[in-house]
Amino acid sequence: QVQLQESGPGLVKPSETLSLTCSVSGGSISSSTYYWAWIRQPPGKGLEWIGNIYYSDTNYRNPSLKSRVTLSVDRSKNQFSLKLSSVAAADTAVYYCARSWRYGAAPGKIDYWGQGILVTVSS
Amino acid sequence: DIQMTQSPSSLSASVGDRVTIACQASQDISTFLNWYQQKPGKAPTLLIYDASNLETGVPSRFSGSGAGTDFTFTISSLQPEDFATYYCQQSDNLPPTFGQGTKLEIK
Repeated sequence: QVQLQESGPGLVKPSETLSLTCSVSGGSISSSTYYWAWIRQPPGKGLEWIGNIYYSDTNYRNPSLKSRVTLSVDRSKNQFSLKLSSVAAADTAVYYCARSWRYGAAPGKIDYWGQGILVTVSS
Repeated sequence: DIQMTQSPSSLSASVGDRVTIACQASQDISTFLNWYQQKPGKAPTLLIYDASNLETGVPSRFSGSGAGTDFTFTISSLQPEDFATYYCQQSDNLPPTFGQGTKLEIK
């Protein structure tokens, strides 16, 4: 059974960088079948795709956040990471890591999600 | 970005009812459409993928249909555990985008 677990600080100051890591267990991050994604959900609102990364380090970042997002993968630790710079209150959200199937022009169905981590941007 | 519009935004129903949720894409997405269920404080879970395929382990009372721009999601007989928020998501074009959600409440 694949499991994903987000980790990182729950509180970040405005203008600083949010850093999260997703640890994957029960499956290899080096599989060619999947993308590894970050999705966020502001309190009481809907879901937004932040970006996704492939085991080879190829990645896609949502243009709405692209200039502030850095994605990376550490195959030796079976982890992938997100950095979001210059955060503001609008970046307060539950951040999910997830596994998405790779079979079309865009990442496909998301079959495994982490439990989510609430990150609050506040001084 | 492809805009996904769900209707209704909220819905009240009773146990045993048949419920249908609509999702419309702003452009043709073929059948690259997925449905998720989210309960309060939890991550979404996949129910239907590629418009009409039931994810392994998901009860058969859940179903999906449609192609192109118009899709429907149906629960044939509501169970108490089905009261949640449902999201559609297109996986045809980058970035993947979600509908705004449909909150299904107990009548």
